[in-house]
Amino acid sequence: QVHLVESGGGVVQPGRSLRLSCAAFGFTFSSYGFHWVRQAPGKGLEWVTTIWHDGSNQYYVDSVKGRFTISREDSKSTVHLQMDSLRDEDTAVYYCVRDGPYNPDYWGQGTRVTVSS
Amino acid sequence: EIVLTQSPGTLSLSPGERATLFCRASQSVDSSHLVWYQQKPGQVPRLLIYGASTRATGIPGRFSGSGSGTDFTLTITRLEPEDFAVYYCQQYRSSPPRALIFGGGTRVEIK
Repeated sequence: QVHLVESGGGVVQPGRSLRLSCAAFGFTFSSYGFHWVRQAPGKGLEWVTTIWHDGSNQYYVDSVKGRFTISREDSKSTVHLQMDSLRDEDTAVYYCVRDGPYNPDYWGQGTRVTVSS
Repeated sequence: EIVLTQSPGTLSLSPGERATLFCRASQSVDSSHLVWYQQKPGQVPRLLIYGASTRATGIPGRFSGSGSGTDFTLTITRLEPEDFAVYYCQQYRSSPPRALIFGGGTRVEIK
């Protein structure tokens, strides 16, 4: 069955970098786009970035443009999120989400990122 | 840019009561992409409704979705103890394509 497993979260100082990964199982990875969605403590859901199924397009929320980079590695059925110049406000649980034909349909369990000095 | 506004922010109800949650879009949206999620503390959002009105696999019949254009509704006919949670609506942005937009959420709490 479909399964998404995030990794790479942790505690990091402001200005440093972190790379999240999302390993996918149980479906044809190259047929799907993916999102990263985050949720700050006690807050709602916020879309962060999207990559299309063929990697041809990537989009970002304004607050992370120029700092975050989404990529995909089809040979390993993995999506990555490179996060540079991290800020306090990037502290959140980051979810990897598969983009189904009509709507996002599967979510990973999330990985926690804490930016703190 | 589309904005999704959910109301009320908090709904205080008793088990067995009916819950009606609203999601209003700032412009007309394609209802085939309108989704509702349920999220309990410490858990991953759970897909409830897609295409505005179709229940996801395993979702009980007491959950129903309706609406079109700019106004959408999630109804829980008789609240069970496990239904007290936060509910989010979600749509695709008008630009960039396939990017997501979420409503601010409605918390359904026990009265």
